[in-house]
Amino acid sequence: DAGVIQSPRHEVTEMGQEVTLRCKPISGHNSLFWYRQTMMRGLELLIYFNNNVPIDDSGMPEDRFSAKMPNASFSTLKIQPSEPRDSAVYFCASSPRGGPYPARGYTFGSGTRLTVV
Amino acid sequence: KQEVTQIPAALSVPEGENLVLNCSFTDSAIYNLQWFRQDPGKGLTSLLLIQSSQREQTSGRLNASLDKSSGRSTLYIAASQPGDSATYLCAVDTGANSKLTFGKGITLSVRP
Repeated sequence: DAGVIQSPRHEVTEMGQEVTLRCKPISGHNSLFWYRQTMMRGLELLIYFNNNVPIDDSGMPEDRFSAKMPNASFSTLKIQPSEPRDSAVYFCASSPRGGPYPARGYTFGSGTRLTVV
Repeated sequence: KQEVTQIPAALSVPEGENLVLNCSFTDSAIYNLQWFRQDPGKGLTSLLLIQSSQREQTSGRLNASLDKSSGRSTLYIAASQPGDSATYLCAVDTGANSKLTFGKGITLSVRP
């Protein structure tokens, strides 16, 4: 099991550019979560999917942020246009909750460190 | 709205000391509680998961307890080592929508 895989690990971009973050959840996990971590606010849930369907996107900061999960093995988080205040570490996590497996908790990816200059 | 608090924000102890990290939450109707470790610049590693029906979980030198009625959990680290230095986060799953609510974490430094 390769765990939750995120790419890229680091992203530096100029203000106004589009940024796409990618996530591959653990096979068999049917819930996927996008979190953002900053020093000021800690870990914040942005959006989560259950069986590829967005369930709650109330944490998405504004319309510049969008997320998709076209299939069970892939999700993207897009920021367009990016701003310096979007600089943070973005984590993807997956969980078997709601699926045929006993609840085993979340598994996090290594994160994408985004810097917008 | 669930709120998770971890106090203090930072802790420094000498090597070998047994220590307790505290976590409190406001809504006792939880599905499970999970403790994570985060090393600087790294992701989160799950340490222990306690289901709402359980009182404690153990893994090696780590022991986590859960008291739902009082809204508290503790992470006990026995015989601390410099390698235990990291930030420890507590997260509560309320089960309503499988969302985790995180505390801000406790940054632990174990001095050789």
